[in-house]
Parts: sequence; C-alpha cells; structure tokens
Amino acid sequence: SQELEQSPQSLIVQEGKNLTINCTSSKTLYGLYWYKQKYGEGLIFLMMLQKGGEEKSHEKITAKLDEKKQQSSLHITASQPSHAGIYLCGADLPRNQGGKLIFGQGTELSVKP
Amino acid sequence: DVKVTQSSRYLVKRTGEKVFLECVQDMDHENMFWYRQDPGLGLRLIYFSYDVKMKEKGDIPEGYSVSREKKERFSLILESASTNQTSMYLCASRKYRPNEKLFFGSGTQLSVL
Repeated sequence: SQELEQSPQSLIVQEGKNLTINCTSSKTLYGLYWYKQKYGEGLIFLMMLQKGGEEKSHEKITAKLDEKKQQSSLHITASQPSHAGIYLCGADLPRNQGGKLIFGQGTELSVKP
Repeated sequence: DVKVTQSSRYLVKRTGEKVFLECVQDMDHENMFWYRQDPGLGLRLIYFSYDVKMKEKGDIPEGYSVSREKKERFSLILESASTNQTSMYLCASRKYRPNEKLFFGSGTQLSVL
C-alpha cells in the first residue's frame, strides 16, 4: 500500500528563519496536497501539486513536486509565529483504489519570537 | 464557501457506550471521509463514502461503522466505545473529480473513559 513519510516530525525555528518540510511517497503521486492545522482545529488547504516539477507559492510558502512525482517539499521563507502549527501532506491514491486520500504523519512547527 | 459541520466539538463517553459522530456538508459533495488523528500518527482513514449508501473501509475500520443515507450526511458509529478510541475525529468531503481538495470540519475530540 502507498505510504507518505514526512520529515522532520517536529521543528523549532527562530522567527525570521527559513525552513523546509519534506514529504516522500513509496509510489508515484497523482495529486499531492499540503494542509496546515492550528492546534485542535480542522485542516486548512494550502496548495495542490499534480505535475512533475511543478512549483506553487502563496505568500511566503512555496511547495514543489519533484520530476519523478515521489517527493514534495514545503518551504517557508522568513518564518513568523503565525506559521506555527501542524503541516500535513496528503495524496490521492490511484483511481482504481476508489478515490481515497491518505496523509503523512504531520510535521509540528514552532516558531520562537 | 463549503461548510463541513461536525455535530460536537468535544464529547465524553463511557466504555461500552454506542457513540454517533455526525458530519454534514452543504456543497453537494459525492465523497465523504472520516479520519482519526493521533499524535505522531497523522491522519488515518477510517471509512470513506463515494456516494449515498456507498462505503469503503479505510486503513483502520475495526470497531467503527458508518452510515450515509443522504448525500449531505455521513455518520461514524462506535458500536461499543473503548478507551483506545479516544482521539480527534475529522470529517472531510470533496467533489468526485480528479485532484479535488478535501474540505475539513473542525473536528470532534472524543474521550472514552
């Protein structure tokens, strides 16, 4: 079965520093999603990537999908306390597996002022 | 905006009780999902429904059942709650099209004593 592995599991950075979170799949990714979760709340959609080599940005967050479509990275530039939370990557399983979407185990980000 | 509403934010139940978690979405989405979230384990798929009265098991269906009698409502049932089912439960929905993002509810924190 397909699995998503995120690294690191937790991260503490000083405000203003850059950081990267990785998401690696055991199989080809057909749709890769990044979500953010504030503690104890639901998930907020950040970005979705489909094509190998694709890159998207929103404000200070950039997500990339590698050419082989097995690894994605989320990069935050000049981190702020508002970036703190849990970041999760999710992926569509192939259509023959019924349209399910699975998630990695999450990366907990703390930003120190 | 799409709204996914979970009936309870916090719930405390006793071991052996039958528990119903309700989820309603207002955007005519075909797909609905139930996940549970535990520290270090990310989101794990319990059950998935791709249409009314249709359901598929996710990765951890044991001890759970679901009901989807109407398109907008997806219920998760714990037939006999146990302490290891203490967790955050998240409901999500999306349109049945390739690469559609999930919309999440705010979650239900269930404690089984």
